Amino acid sequence: DQQVKQNSPSLSVQEGRISILNCDYTNSMFDYFLWYKKYPAEGPTFLISISSIKDKNEDGRFTVFLNKSAKHLSLHIVPSQPGDSAVYFCAASNAGGTSYGKLTFGQGTILTVHP
Amino acid sequence: DTAVSQTPKYLVTQMGNDKSIKCEQNLGHDTMYWYKQDSKKFLKIMFSYNNKELIINETVPNRFSPKSPDKAHLNLHINSLELGDSAVYFCASRQGTYNSPLHFGNGTRLTVT
Repeated sequence: DQQVKQNSPSLSVQEGRISILNCDYTNSMFDYFLWYKKYPAEGPTFLISISSIKDKNEDGRFTVFLNKSAKHLSLHIVPSQPGDSAVYFCAASNAGGTSYGKLTFGQGTILTVHP
Repeated sequence: DTAVSQTPKYLVTQMGNDKSIKCEQNLGHDTMYWYKQDSKKFLKIMFSYNNKELIINETVPNRFSPKSPDKAHLNLHINSLELGDSAVYFCASRQGTYNSPLHFGNGTRLTVT
């Protein structure tokens, strides 16, 4: 049962334009959400996070939006740069019970930014 | 300075062998994890230790045994390796057990032939 889904395997964007990566989740208990970026042969690198008490968090060119009613989050990158080309993973967790904040990951979206 | 380091980076071995992967973090975190990225690129949690205590043990074959000698180290030993164990294994750490990001190592690519 895939509780976190990234339905777009890939996204291609022109340099300078906006990249929008989407993520859907099914577990209503999730209360903390993150985006990671991954280059080949490297580990995932943390980008930005948001807790369920917020609907938006911004850090430089990266903004994460959370729509709890739709169980949907998105990552906006503006402006996109060729160096942003990587695999992007969304992840979610909940602090309660015996989950111990376990992060559940989506399957990733490959972003390619063309010069 | 590398924050989360794993060794080896590549591991090629034959079925039936026993192998270990080591992980060390110098971030002062108290929680460490092993994740497995399979051929479909899903990152799935295997184990987690908090202050050397096992807190998460997902449905993983008994052939996989984690060991945490101290808060900064989490090793993974795999007995009787099978073809299906081929994957990339990532170690990660965080401070506390929730509402903080995981910091990942660069992975160990295990190939079982």
